[in-house]
Amino acid sequence: DTEVTQTPKHLVMGMTNKKSLKCEQHMGHRAMYWYKQKAKKPPELMFVYSYEKLSINESVPSRFSPECPNSSLLNLHLHALQPEDSALYLCASSPGLAGGPRLEQYFGPGTRLTVT
Amino acid sequence: GENVEQHPSTLSVQEGDSAVIKCTYSDSASNYFPWYKQELGKRPQLIIDIRSNVGEKKDQRIAVTLNKTAKHFSLHITETQPEDSAVYFCAASPKYSSASKIIFGSGTRLSIRP
Repeated sequence: DTEVTQTPKHLVMGMTNKKSLKCEQHMGHRAMYWYKQKAKKPPELMFVYSYEKLSINESVPSRFSPECPNSSLLNLHLHALQPEDSALYLCASSPGLAGGPRLEQYFGPGTRLTVT
Repeated sequence: GENVEQHPSTLSVQEGDSAVIKCTYSDSASNYFPWYKQELGKRPQLIIDIRSNVGEKKDQRIAVTLNKTAKHFSLHITETQPEDSAVYFCAASPKYSSASKIIFGSGTRLSIRP
């Protein structure tokens, strides 16, 4: 398996709901990422997990809560979101760490989130 | 922190002609520069990348050049085809000790005219 997969593809949630986004890779990559992408904008980094430990949190509001249960899975738990959080949420993975030989990131197809 | 600027924001070229997209970065310690292509409704796809110890890299019709002194890097697409139409993002990776992080440019919407 050479792809990053994400579920669900689309999600509509109310501001009081709790939902989770799921990301999976079976390429043996040791770093995984969450990005948020608004229309006509570049992906914006939210979180980085390195060897299943949170290594970067880009000052993301606490209503977004990441979780890395194992080296293949990455979740993003959502609670009390705002309409402005509507966006495409992309997961990515990369083989190595900074300074190592493999830095390229591979993206999943994303979850299109709409907050009503 | 790292800042990546990308120009132009839109680019229209005749099929068969070349396209050039330019980026500058601010952090001289950045050492990895990938380019991503994103078609409408699709995921960003890595098309080529270059490390700071290399000045140029080619892959078929795509080439990337890096000028570390000027902190510039560019994407060159030759013999453009309709399927090259997409948004292209340059990015730079600041050097971190524990994880990789890439900062994206604002994107270039490339249109290929038939």
